[in-house]
Amino acid sequence: ETAVFQTPNYHVTQVGNEVSFNCKQTLGHDTMYWYKQDSKKLLKIMFSYNNKQLIVNETVPRRFSPQSSDKAHLNLRIKSVEPEDSAVYLCASSKGAWGGASAETLYFGSGTRLTVL
Amino acid sequence: TQTVSQSDAHVTVFEGDSVELRCNYSYGGSIYLSWYIQHHGRGLQFLLKYYSGNPVVQGVNGFEAEFSKSDSSFHLRKASVHWSDSAVYFCAVSKNYGGSGNKLIFGTGTLLSVKP
Repeated sequence: ETAVFQTPNYHVTQVGNEVSFNCKQTLGHDTMYWYKQDSKKLLKIMFSYNNKQLIVNETVPRRFSPQSSDKAHLNLRIKSVEPEDSAVYLCASSKGAWGGASAETLYFGSGTRLTVL
Repeated sequence: TQTVSQSDAHVTVFEGDSVELRCNYSYGGSIYLSWYIQHHGRGLQFLLKYYSGNPVVQGVNGFEAEFSKSDSSFHLRKASVHWSDSAVYFCAVSKNYGGSGNKLIFGTGTLLSVKP
């Protein structure tokens, strides 16, 4: 049963354009994440938010910016896309409370596949 | 620094065979280990995790994994695979940022192909 919803499923755009991806979770979780998965299936975390606050910000180019209006939503904006941004962007959520066994289980959306021409 | 490695990029078995997918880790503190599955075109789904206690943990769909501190391993096993088990399997180790944050670091994934 899907509980992390991502839109759009696919997006094709030109170099230099701005794109925005949406993510919503209906699990009542406190923490949300964005991961980037490249063509070789390698997963790398980009950002993590807990209750609308940024807690993890890996080394990603400045053109990437996360946006959170509330703890159920975490969007990703890319200001001026580059060819290397072509990837699948996966949104995930977790309860987020450190120390609890449930904190480490992530629930993923189906991903947004970005193709930059 | 916590890292995780999956030495097998691709494993092929026949339906009904047993399978073991390997995962080795390095860590510097409290550790959470987990396995996720990703079917083609889908997001990742949680299979199982280990934090403490019994080193053999049971997951969904007949999967289990065994934690070994001496070998620094957390291998995933299934006694009898089904064609629907064909997917990419990711091992992950958790890194804590303190307070209310944690981050999963994923291995490179193992593609399991189950032939009929």
